[in-house]
Amino acid sequence: DGGITQSPKYLFRKEGQNVTLSCEQNLNHDAMYWYRQDPGQGLRLIYYSQIVNDFQKGDIAEGYSVSREKKESFPLTVTSAQKNPTAFYLCASSIFPGFAQETQYFGPGTRLLVL
Amino acid sequence: DQQVKQNSPSLSVQEGRISILNCDYTNSMFDYFLWYKKYPAEGPTFLISISSIKDKNEDGRFTVFLNKSAKHLSLHIVPSQPGDSAVYFCAASGRNSGGSNYKLTFGKGTLLTVNP
Repeated sequence: DGGITQSPKYLFRKEGQNVTLSCEQNLNHDAMYWYRQDPGQGLRLIYYSQIVNDFQKGDIAEGYSVSREKKESFPLTVTSAQKNPTAFYLCASSIFPGFAQETQYFGPGTRLLVL
Repeated sequence: DQQVKQNSPSLSVQEGRISILNCDYTNSMFDYFLWYKKYPAEGPTFLISISSIKDKNEDGRFTVFLNKSAKHLSLHIVPSQPGDSAVYFCAASGRNSGGSNYKLTFGKGTLLTVNP
Protein backbone atom coordinates (compact mmCIF):
# COMPACT_ATOMS: atom_id res chain seq x y z
CA ASP A 1 0.00 0.00 0.00
CA GLY A 2 1.44 3.33 -1.05
CA GLY A 3 0.99 6.30 1.18
CA ILE A 4 2.33 8.76 3.69
CA THR A 5 2.94 7.83 7.28
CA GLN A 6 3.46 10.21 10.16
CA SER A 7 4.59 9.32 13.63
CA PRO A 8 3.83 9.62 16.39
CA LYS A 9 0.09 10.33 16.34
CA TYR A 10 0.43 12.37 19.55
CA LEU A 11 3.57 14.03 20.85
CA PHE A 12 4.19 15.89 24.07
CA ARG A 13 6.87 18.53 24.41
CA LYS A 14 8.34 19.94 27.57
CA GLU A 15 9.48 23.54 27.84
CA GLY A 16 12.83 24.11 26.14
CA GLN A 17 12.80 20.74 24.43
CA ASN A 18 13.31 20.02 20.76
CA VAL A 19 11.05 17.35 19.28
CA THR A 20 11.12 15.69 15.86
CA LEU A 21 8.09 14.63 13.87
CA SER A 22 8.55 11.85 11.37
CA CYS A 23 7.16 11.77 7.81
CA GLU A 24 7.77 8.93 5.39
CA GLN A 25 6.30 8.34 1.92
CA ASN A 26 6.56 5.38 -0.42
CA LEU A 27 4.81 7.09 -3.33
CA ASN A 28 8.11 7.97 -5.03
CA HIS A 29 7.07 11.63 -4.93
CA ASP A 30 9.72 14.29 -5.44
CA ALA A 31 8.16 17.05 -3.36
CA MET A 32 7.31 16.99 0.32
CA TYR A 33 5.70 19.59 2.57
CA TRP A 34 5.01 20.38 6.21
CA TYR A 35 1.90 22.29 7.26
CA ARG A 36 0.56 23.43 10.57
CA GLN A 37 -3.16 23.62 11.35
CA ASP A 38 -4.57 25.57 14.28
CA PRO A 39 -8.24 25.49 15.34
CA GLY A 40 -10.39 27.51 12.94
CA GLN A 41 -7.43 28.13 10.68
CA GLY A 42 -6.37 26.87 7.32
CA LEU A 43 -3.21 24.97 6.65
CA ARG A 44 -0.11 27.11 6.82
CA LEU A 45 3.08 26.04 5.07
CA ILE A 46 6.14 25.60 7.30
CA TYR A 47 8.76 24.14 4.94
CA TYR A 48 8.82 22.37 1.63
CA SER A 49 11.32 20.35 -0.33
CA GLN A 50 11.28 19.79 -4.07
CA ILE A 51 14.28 17.49 -4.24
CA VAL A 52 16.64 15.60 -1.96
CA ASN A 53 19.12 17.78 -0.05
CA ASP A 54 17.17 20.92 -0.82
CA PHE A 55 14.34 22.68 1.01
CA GLN A 56 12.76 26.13 1.26
CA LYS A 57 11.04 28.06 4.00
CA GLY A 58 7.30 28.42 3.85
CA ASP A 59 5.19 31.10 5.42
CA ILE A 60 5.85 30.24 9.08
CA ALA A 61 9.32 28.63 9.24
CA GLU A 62 10.57 30.38 12.38
CA GLY A 63 11.21 27.92 15.21
CA TYR A 64 11.26 24.90 12.89
CA SER A 65 13.94 22.99 11.00
CA VAL A 66 13.87 20.20 8.44
CA SER A 67 16.16 17.87 6.54
CA ARG A 68 15.76 15.91 3.31
CA GLU A 69 18.54 13.34 3.17
CA LYS A 70 16.37 10.72 1.49
CA LYS A 71 13.62 11.05 -1.08
CA GLU A 72 11.12 9.20 1.07
CA SER A 73 11.76 11.02 4.37
CA PHE A 74 11.20 14.62 5.48
CA PRO A 75 11.43 14.98 9.29
CA LEU A 76 10.38 18.21 11.00
CA THR A 77 12.04 19.42 14.20
CA VAL A 78 10.11 21.78 16.42
CA THR A 79 12.78 23.69 18.32
CA SER A 80 12.59 25.46 21.65
CA ALA A 81 12.49 28.72 19.68
CA GLN A 82 8.93 27.92 18.60
CA LYS A 83 6.97 29.57 21.40
CA ASN A 84 3.53 28.30 20.44
CA PRO A 85 4.04 24.78 19.13
CA THR A 86 0.67 23.30 20.10
CA ALA A 87 -1.00 22.41 16.79
CA PHE A 88 -1.87 19.65 14.36
CA TYR A 89 1.04 19.00 11.98
CA LEU A 90 0.45 17.63 8.52
CA CYS A 91 2.98 16.24 6.08
CA ALA A 92 2.20 16.04 2.38
CA SER A 93 3.85 15.00 -0.86
CA SER A 94 3.31 15.58 -4.56
CA ILE A 95 4.60 14.01 -7.71
CA PHE A 96 5.92 16.97 -9.64
CA PRO A 97 7.05 20.09 -7.85
CA GLY A 98 6.80 23.30 -9.80
CA PHE A 99 3.77 22.36 -11.88
CA ALA A 100 0.29 23.85 -11.63
CA GLN A 101 -1.41 20.49 -11.26
CA GLU A 102 0.09 19.98 -7.88
CA THR A 103 -2.26 17.62 -6.14
CA GLN A 104 -0.82 17.01 -2.71
CA TYR A 105 -1.40 13.84 -0.75
CA PHE A 106 -1.49 14.14 3.01
CA GLY A 107 -0.48 11.97 5.91
CA PRO A 108 -2.75 11.38 8.94
CA GLY A 109 -1.09 14.12 11.01
CA THR A 110 0.66 14.47 14.37
CA ARG A 111 -0.87 16.42 17.23
CA LEU A 112 1.77 18.20 19.30
CA LEU A 113 0.94 19.26 22.83
CA VAL A 114 3.03 21.21 25.31
CA LEU A 115 3.32 19.94 28.89
CA ASP B 1 -3.10 39.13 3.94
CA GLN B 2 -5.35 36.17 3.25
CA GLN B 3 -5.19 35.30 -0.42
CA VAL B 4 -7.77 32.50 -0.28
CA LYS B 5 -10.91 33.18 1.68
CA GLN B 6 -13.72 30.92 2.76
CA ASN B 7 -16.10 33.32 4.42
CA SER B 8 -18.54 30.77 5.77
CA PRO B 9 -17.06 28.86 8.73
CA SER B 10 -19.94 26.41 8.66
CA LEU B 11 -22.85 25.21 6.55
CA SER B 12 -25.72 22.90 7.44
CA VAL B 13 -27.92 21.16 4.84
CA GLN B 14 -30.47 18.38 4.72
CA GLU B 15 -29.61 15.01 3.25
CA GLY B 16 -30.49 14.87 -0.44
CA ARG B 17 -30.29 18.63 -0.94
CA ILE B 18 -27.53 20.61 -2.62
CA SER B 19 -24.49 21.84 -0.65
CA ILE B 20 -22.72 24.91 -2.04
CA LEU B 21 -19.37 25.86 -0.58
CA ASN B 22 -17.80 29.13 -1.66
CA CYS B 23 -14.25 30.38 -1.98
CA ASP B 24 -12.80 33.74 -3.04
CA TYR B 25 -9.23 34.55 -3.96
CA THR B 26 -7.29 37.74 -4.47
CA ASN B 27 -4.13 36.68 -6.30
CA SER B 28 -4.63 36.80 -10.08
CA MET B 29 -1.52 34.62 -10.51
CA PHE B 30 -3.37 31.59 -9.17
CA ASP B 31 -4.03 29.23 -12.05
CA TYR B 32 -5.12 25.97 -10.46
CA PHE B 33 -7.66 25.40 -7.73
CA LEU B 34 -8.35 22.39 -5.56
CA TRP B 35 -10.84 21.28 -2.97
CA TYR B 36 -9.82 19.04 -0.08
CA LYS B 37 -12.04 17.25 2.41
CA LYS B 38 -10.91 16.68 5.98
CA TYR B 39 -12.32 14.58 8.78
CA PRO B 40 -11.30 15.34 12.40
CA ALA B 41 -7.82 14.13 13.39
CA GLU B 42 -7.08 13.00 9.82
CA GLY B 43 -5.14 14.46 6.93
CA PRO B 44 -7.04 16.21 4.11
CA THR B 45 -7.92 14.14 1.07
CA PHE B 46 -8.04 15.53 -2.44
CA LEU B 47 -11.57 15.89 -3.79
CA ILE B 48 -11.64 17.77 -7.09
CA SER B 49 -9.66 20.41 -8.97
CA ILE B 50 -10.03 22.91 -11.79
CA SER B 51 -7.61 24.70 -14.06
CA SER B 52 -8.01 28.42 -14.68
CA ILE B 53 -8.64 27.73 -18.37
CA LYS B 54 -11.92 26.01 -17.47
CA ASP B 55 -15.06 27.22 -15.76
CA LYS B 56 -16.49 23.89 -14.66
CA ASN B 57 -15.28 20.45 -13.66
CA GLU B 58 -17.56 17.62 -12.64
CA ASP B 59 -16.82 14.33 -10.87
CA GLY B 60 -19.84 12.34 -9.81
CA ARG B 61 -21.77 14.24 -7.15
CA PHE B 62 -19.12 16.96 -7.00
CA THR B 63 -18.87 19.94 -9.35
CA VAL B 64 -16.52 22.87 -9.07
CA PHE B 65 -17.31 26.16 -10.81
CA LEU B 66 -14.75 28.88 -11.45
CA ASN B 67 -15.57 32.52 -12.18
CA LYS B 68 -12.22 34.12 -12.99
CA SER B 69 -13.54 37.63 -13.44
CA ALA B 70 -15.03 37.52 -9.95
CA LYS B 71 -12.10 35.53 -8.53
CA HIS B 72 -14.63 33.13 -7.10
CA LEU B 73 -15.05 29.39 -7.08
CA SER B 74 -17.66 27.13 -5.60
CA LEU B 75 -18.07 23.45 -4.86
CA HIS B 76 -21.50 21.90 -5.39
CA ILE B 77 -22.39 18.56 -3.84
CA VAL B 78 -25.57 16.99 -5.17
CA PRO B 79 -27.19 15.12 -3.52
CA SER B 80 -25.61 15.70 -0.14
CA GLN B 81 -25.09 12.67 2.09
CA PRO B 82 -24.38 12.43 5.84
CA GLY B 83 -20.95 10.99 5.01
CA ASP B 84 -20.10 14.29 3.31
CA SER B 85 -20.01 15.95 6.74
CA ALA B 86 -16.45 17.23 7.07
CA VAL B 87 -14.34 20.36 6.77
CA TYR B 88 -13.78 21.43 3.17
CA PHE B 89 -10.69 23.42 2.27
CA CYS B 90 -10.29 25.46 -0.85
CA ALA B 91 -6.70 25.72 -2.11
CA ALA B 92 -5.03 27.64 -4.92
CA SER B 93 -1.78 27.07 -6.74
CA GLY B 94 0.38 29.57 -8.54
CA ARG B 95 3.82 31.04 -8.76
CA ASN B 96 4.97 32.78 -5.61
CA SER B 97 6.41 36.27 -5.61
CA GLY B 98 9.94 34.92 -5.77
CA GLY B 99 9.71 33.18 -9.14
CA SER B 100 9.05 29.76 -10.47
CA ASN B 101 8.00 27.59 -7.57
CA TYR B 102 4.42 26.52 -7.14
CA LYS B 103 2.88 26.03 -3.73
CA LEU B 104 -0.65 25.64 -2.38
CA THR B 105 -2.37 28.40 -0.45
CA PHE B 106 -5.28 27.18 1.66
CA GLY B 107 -8.43 28.86 2.92
CA LYS B 108 -9.55 28.43 6.52
CA GLY B 109 -12.11 25.80 5.66
CA THR B 110 -15.88 25.39 5.89
CA LEU B 111 -17.46 22.81 8.19
CA LEU B 112 -20.26 21.08 6.30
CA THR B 113 -22.88 19.21 8.30
CA VAL B 114 -25.37 17.09 6.38
CA ASN B 115 -28.36 16.20 8.54
CA PRO B 116 -30.21 12.91 7.94
